[in-house]
Amino acid sequence: QVQLQESGPGLVKPSQTLSLTCTVSGGSISTGSYYWTWIRQHPGKGLEWIAYMYYSGSPYYNPSLKSRLIISVDTSKNQFFLKLRSVTVADTAVYYCARGSNLERGFDPWGQGTLVTVSS
Amino acid sequence: QSVLTQPPSVSGAPGQTVTISCTGNSSNIGAGYDVHWYQQFPGTAPKLLIYENNYRPSEVPDRFSGSKSGTSASLAISGLQTEDEADYYCQSYDTNLSAWVFGGGTKLTVL
Repeated sequence: QVQLQESGPGLVKPSQTLSLTCTVSGGSISTGSYYWTWIRQHPGKGLEWIAYMYYSGSPYYNPSLKSRLIISVDTSKNQFFLKLRSVTVADTAVYYCARGSNLERGFDPWGQGTLVTVSS
Repeated sequence: QSVLTQPPSVSGAPGQTVTISCTGNSSNIGAGYDVHWYQQFPGTAPKLLIYENNYRPSEVPDRFSGSKSGTSASLAISGLQTEDEADYYCQSYDTNLSAWVFGGGTKLTVL
């Protein structure tokens, strides 16, 4: 079955750019039936949806983060990416990638998550 | 402050039934958007538990059920087991925010 795995630096300095990769295995990212999404969870807190996109087409961003976000897909590598600019300590969180369905059946599956700490 | 409101905690004894509520408004649940539920154990990723208000993925036991009415939804867990101790989150779409939104989460304790 499809599995997702996040990767990237665990420590980012304030004002720099947070960059994460999600590698999809067990299935193709190039399917119109699913989209690919990023979600984060601040330490000890709830979940916050960040952005999503299909393998082709425009990305959709959480308006609260839109000005600092870029997400993209590389179909040749079966990967999708997150870039969050001008980070602050408030961006410290566990970042998850997940798959969504165009039938809106929730996010499933999820990657295991990766903790990104913003600190000097 | 989460857009969807859940009780911070609920508890029950083994074998009992507990219900977790998820209250929204006319721009999300009340607008007709579906509600999904997730289960999360400490240190692990959330797992889809209920989708489209009341459907279970095949691997989820039928002790878990969901419902939706008006601006609210509920997750019911019957025949409580100790392994059900986890955090539970609801999720829907909010048309005013143009974003998927989650509840603040509910910690289930099995006494």
